[in-house]
Amino acid sequence: EAQVTQNPRYLITVTGKKLTVTCSQNMNHEYMSWYRQDPGLGLRQIYYSMNVEVTDKGDVPEGYKVSRKEKRNFPLILESPSPNQTSLYFCASSRGGTGTYEQYFGPGTRLTVT
Amino acid sequence: AQSVTQLDSQVPVFEEAPVELRCNYSSSVSVYLFWYVQYPNQGLQLLLKYLSGSTLVKGINGFEAEFNKSQTSFHLRKPSVHISDTAEYFCAVSVPGNTPLVFGKGTRLSVIA
Repeated sequence: EAQVTQNPRYLITVTGKKLTVTCSQNMNHEYMSWYRQDPGLGLRQIYYSMNVEVTDKGDVPEGYKVSRKEKRNFPLILESPSPNQTSLYFCASSRGGTGTYEQYFGPGTRLTVT
Repeated sequence: AQSVTQLDSQVPVFEEAPVELRCNYSSSVSVYLFWYVQYPNQGLQLLLKYLSGSTLVKGINGFEAEFNKSQTSFHLRKPSVHISDTAEYFCAVSVPGNTPLVFGKGTRLSVIA
């Protein structure tokens, strides 16, 4: 089954404790991205990757890091989480990044930083 | 840069009634337009998209949308909603080139029995 998986689905952590949210897709997609969803703000892109070793900032990259060492994986790293990073996070992938391709979303990771 | 405005944050509607969810966009170049749906506790999935050609686009679950270039709109419609259509709906826009999707803030559709 074609899918995007994220782990963990739920995470409660404390300020400053480094964490990683994993994302993996089995569709051989080149393009992957991370979004955060906040009430009343919709989805905002954090980082995206056009291919292996190619990443770039989205609209709200501050406080986040990503890496793309393999085509299928695109982890999101919070080196020193803060309460304003409490949010619902989605990973997505698509065949390309030209804007015409459907994006496939993971189930989401709900992060709470206390 | 392109932007999307979803005019209604919440839309309550009775079961079997018609519904229209409004979306307006802003862009200085030609656009691609999308509607995504997010069911409770799930990720987003594509409902329909407009890339070119016919301005009336049909999607899954009986939804359709019409691209209106002069009005810069891409409103989503369904003639008769079901309880199972209760979800959040996002309009999104992109432009040619390696550009990301820009999402609207979402419209929460609540279908009342």
